[in-house]
Amino acid sequence: DVKVTQSSRYLVKRTGEKVFLECVQDMDHENMFWYRQDPGLGLRLIYFSYDVKMKEKGDIPEGYSVSREKKERFSLILESASTNQTSMYLCASSLTGTGEEKLFFGSGTQLSVL
Amino acid sequence: RKEVEQDPGPFNVPEGATVAFNCTYSNSASQSFFWYRQDCRKEPKLLMSVYSSGNEDGRFTAQLNRASQYISLLIRDSKLSDSATYLCVVNNGNQGGKLIFGQGTELSVKP
Repeated sequence: DVKVTQSSRYLVKRTGEKVFLECVQDMDHENMFWYRQDPGLGLRLIYFSYDVKMKEKGDIPEGYSVSREKKERFSLILESASTNQTSMYLCASSLTGTGEEKLFFGSGTQLSVL
Repeated sequence: RKEVEQDPGPFNVPEGATVAFNCTYSNSASQSFFWYRQDCRKEPKLLMSVYSSGNEDGRFTAQLNRASQYISLLIRDSKLSDSATYLCVVNNGNQGGKLIFGQGTELSVKP
């Protein structure tokens, strides 16, 4: 089974802090994604990556950056955390060329910014 | 208009009931369609893909109507364990393109 591991289940940070959310997948997937999920808004795509050192903006990239130095690892960075970035963050990966784009998700990181 | 819209929830049904969820999408170029299931405080997991001819997996049946840009999920003989949020997911029209999630419809199956 594919495993997508997020480094923390719960995080509490202060406004202005730099925050790193780490995600690792163990199935050699090319594609990796970061979403945030908020009540009433569903899952929204922040950034995604189709290959090492590649990144593309999703629908809500403002206030975030990403890093993909190795194929298995995709990091989400909040340069200066703000209270409106309090949310559930979900990392996902998928294999290119399957024709079905099945996403495998990590268990999520609930981030609270105080 | 949202790119993917689902029935508002929650749906509260008794065990054994048949329940149907509907979803509409706005991009006529979308090529891939899915239903995901998300349990409370858990990550989404793929329930089933949706094919043009319709497809069935046990008690679950998915239908696609491209002309109306509409997807449905039918659950027969509901079980308590079916209680979850069901997410309609559509790709953005490009092969390997990003997936767009609906807000989800909550289902609660009662004894």
